Amino acid sequence: GAVVSQHPSRVICKSGTSVKIECRSLDFQATTMFWYRQFPKQSLMLMATSNEGSKATYEQGVEKDKFLINHASLTLSTLTVTSAHPEDSSFYICSAVPGTSGVSYEQYFGPGTRLTVT
Amino acid sequence: QKEVEQNSGPLSVPEGAIASLNCTYSDRGSQSFFWYRQYSGKSPELIMFIYSNGDKEDGRFTAQLNKASQYVSLLIRDSQPSDSATYLCAVNQKVTFGTGTKLQVIP
Repeated sequence: GAVVSQHPSRVICKSGTSVKIECRSLDFQATTMFWYRQFPKQSLMLMATSNEGSKATYEQGVEKDKFLINHASLTLSTLTVTSAHPEDSSFYICSAVPGTSGVSYEQYFGPGTRLTVT
Repeated sequence: QKEVEQNSGPLSVPEGAIASLNCTYSDRGSQSFFWYRQYSGKSPELIMFIYSNGDKEDGRFTAQLNKASQYVSLLIRDSQPSDSATYLCAVNQKVTFGTGTKLQVIP
């Protein structure tokens, strides 16, 4: 149980284009999902908290107009990197917290999406 | 002071030994503590979580929490080469991650 999928696993795009990454909880519902970014040899950096049915909460320094998050259902959150640039190349990882009560406990991670912007 | 601190390592232990990974945190009101394992190029996977003071054991893994001293540790008994990875300590519901400790188990 507690499986989270991400799609695509790898994507290469040209500078200036947009890329959408999907995060799905396959066997549980999740009111809350998180989006992280990880650069090589660095720790996870929380980008935003995605809440089903409401606006995402972005961490300081993360541009909400550049990283669009939509959490349309209890099993799906999407991250769209708009007007991507080479410096956006990174490993993007989502996680989902089981439950719908608003009390969050452990989170389960998707396998990640490696984005390369050329 | 960082919210969650870990020694980046690498921590090298011989196969079969006990690996001890430590993590300190700054928010005294923290309630939830997690250990994740991350292999190179992969996303983290949850190993253990602990909410109460004391020890929690699961197989070869033991998490230890001391809220008074604000530290949480992970012990790995009978370390195996497959345990070689980066171990991330995470604190609280919103989850603040430490930078991780790289563990190397030497056959």
